[in-house]
Amino acid sequence: GESVGLHLPTLSVQEGDNSIINCAYSNSASDYFIWYKQESGKGPQFIIDIRSNMDKRQGQRVTVLLNKTVKHLSLQIAATQPGDSAVYFCAETGSGNTGKLIFGQGTTLQVKP
Amino acid sequence: GAGVSQSPRYKVAKRGQDVALRCDPISGHVSLFWYQQALGQGPEFLTYFQNEAQLDKSGLPSDRFFAERPEGSVSTLKIQRTQQEDSAVYLCASSKRGRSYNEQFFGPGTRLTVL
Repeated sequence: GESVGLHLPTLSVQEGDNSIINCAYSNSASDYFIWYKQESGKGPQFIIDIRSNMDKRQGQRVTVLLNKTVKHLSLQIAATQPGDSAVYFCAETGSGNTGKLIFGQGTTLQVKP
Repeated sequence: GAGVSQSPRYKVAKRGQDVALRCDPISGHVSLFWYQQALGQGPEFLTYFQNEAQLDKSGLPSDRFFAERPEGSVSTLKIQRTQQEDSAVYLCASSKRGRSYNEQFFGPGTRLTVL
């Protein structure tokens, strides 16, 4: 079946360092990928998305890289801040067109002051 | 205006009770999704509405789960005869259009605990 997974369950970084969160997906037909941030007691919050016809997309302090050859997605956060501490999920829309999301298990990012 | 809202935020039910969870999507959003999130896991898709039509209910775990969106706005997820394994956070999300390349806005979720 379809699955989206993350390599590391917990990532601890020093404030000001760059963070990289990785994700593997299994459905080669997926054409849209999204990174979400979820803080305790809140719903997932959209960070950045990328379509399969792109390799890289940049936002404010965040960059998403897509490697379709190895079915790998990564989220880079520049100059990580304490407010970035949360659980990060990658998600894909699979081969359907309804927009339903298939989420990975999540990586906890801990930012040390 | 406001984002997606859900009520109640917390619900405790005794095993066997019926519960109803409400979602108020962003005004004008065509698509509405329900997800179930177990502790320490990513959200899992339950069902999808485009306006009032339920187009995908493939994620509903059993026939005890039922969702509706009668007027294409507010949605209710109902769970009959709750079981302990139903304990989870139930998330609602809405998006502007009925296509895959649309940002989904999530509500804060309803945490259901079945004793």
